[in-house]
Formats: sequence, C-alpha cells, structure tokens
Amino acid sequence: AQSVAQPEDQVNVAEGNPLTVKCTYSVSGNPYLFWYVQYPNRGLQFLLKYITGDNLVKGSYGFEAEFNKSQTSFHLKKPSALVSDSALYFCAVKSGGSYIPTFGRGTSLIVHP
Amino acid sequence: GAGVSQSPSNKVTEKGKDVELRCDPISGHTALYWYRQSLGQGLEFLIYFQGNSAPDKSGLPSDRFSAERTGGSVSTLTIQRTQQEDSAVYLCASSIGQSEGYGYTFGSGTRLTVV
Repeated sequence: AQSVAQPEDQVNVAEGNPLTVKCTYSVSGNPYLFWYVQYPNRGLQFLLKYITGDNLVKGSYGFEAEFNKSQTSFHLKKPSALVSDSALYFCAVKSGGSYIPTFGRGTSLIVHP
Repeated sequence: GAGVSQSPSNKVTEKGKDVELRCDPISGHTALYWYRQSLGQGLEFLIYFQGNSAPDKSGLPSDRFSAERTGGSVSTLTIQRTQQEDSAVYLCASSIGQSEGYGYTFGSGTRLTVV
C-alpha cells in the first residue's frame, strides 16, 4: 500500500520570505515522489520529481524539494516566495511496484504582498 | 496534440441523466489515468489504462462509472444515472509509459455539476 499526507490545508507566507509545503509518505520499497501545482480552473502542472540520486531536487519556477528517507518526507521549498506562487500544491507518491500514483489532499499556498 | 485535452470543460446535468466525459491524451502516451477531484478531498484515482492491457478499474466508486479507451488513444468516462455526489472535477492524465522516470501530464479537467 502507498499513501501520502499533506498535514497543512493552508500555508500563509509573506512575499520574499522562504516557504515550505510539507509532505510525508508511506510506501513499500523505494518511493517515487512528485510535486504538482494547480492554478484556479487549471489542471495540475508538474514541478519536480525524485526518482533516485541526489536528495535535493530542483524543479520549475525556483522550487526545490528534499527527499528525507529516515523521516519519509519530501517537503517542497522555495527561498523567496512570490505572490504568483499562490496556488494549490499536491504531493504524490508511487512505489516501484505500482503504476498508479497516489496524491495527497493538497495544500493551499497563499503568498501575501 | 501538445497537451492533454478534455471536453467539455464544464457540464451541468440533471440528477439521473447519463454523462460522457472525453480525454484526448498526448500522442504517443501509452498510459492514461482518470482522477476525480472533490473539494477538500484531493485527487481520487478512478481508472488506469496502459496500452492494450486490461484497465485497472479498482478506483471506480460504483458500477455507474465506466470508461473505455479506443485505439489506445482517446478515452471516455461515462457516468450513468448521475447523483449529486458525483459533482466534482474529473481530471485525465497521460504518461509516456509505466516507467518510474516519467511524470504525468494533466488536462484542465471537466467540472461536472449534478443538479
């Protein structure tokens, strides 16, 4: 079985400040981890993924995520938030034995000017 | 096409009617997924197609839901005798294959409202 948790329904941050959106996962075997962003009335857009290799993954729009195996976490980060980063963010996990990714419930990121 | 195309973008239907939602994946993508996004519920997996293999229907919530994929390309999700709880955004995604290294490209979704 595989599952993913996004413990925060909403994250508020001031523009220019660093942001973190949390994600923890549970899988059997090695995880394959993804972050997606959804703007209003749009589909999900791919941000970044971890398959193997370096624990720090860099993605689109200045986002990065750190894979932490011991804490089973894959938190999304950005050093300096922009108002335009305000959106819904989804973490997803897939085990090596599954073809179907499981998505979290999503975290609404609000960046205040 | 350049992306995953879904139609219609919005659908309002009366309770008890049947609806069909269409997904046109990226050309050459062999894997196709349907998800349902309800307010506050995240993405709920519905069904998965891979090439010509039998689909994984394990996520379909009831026998009122069905889907097919013709010629390994376009997919149609059908909901029969719609209920108000079926109201949601239905998202389609495609992927180039089953490999872990590939991500998923999503369409903009169909917002279904059952009145």
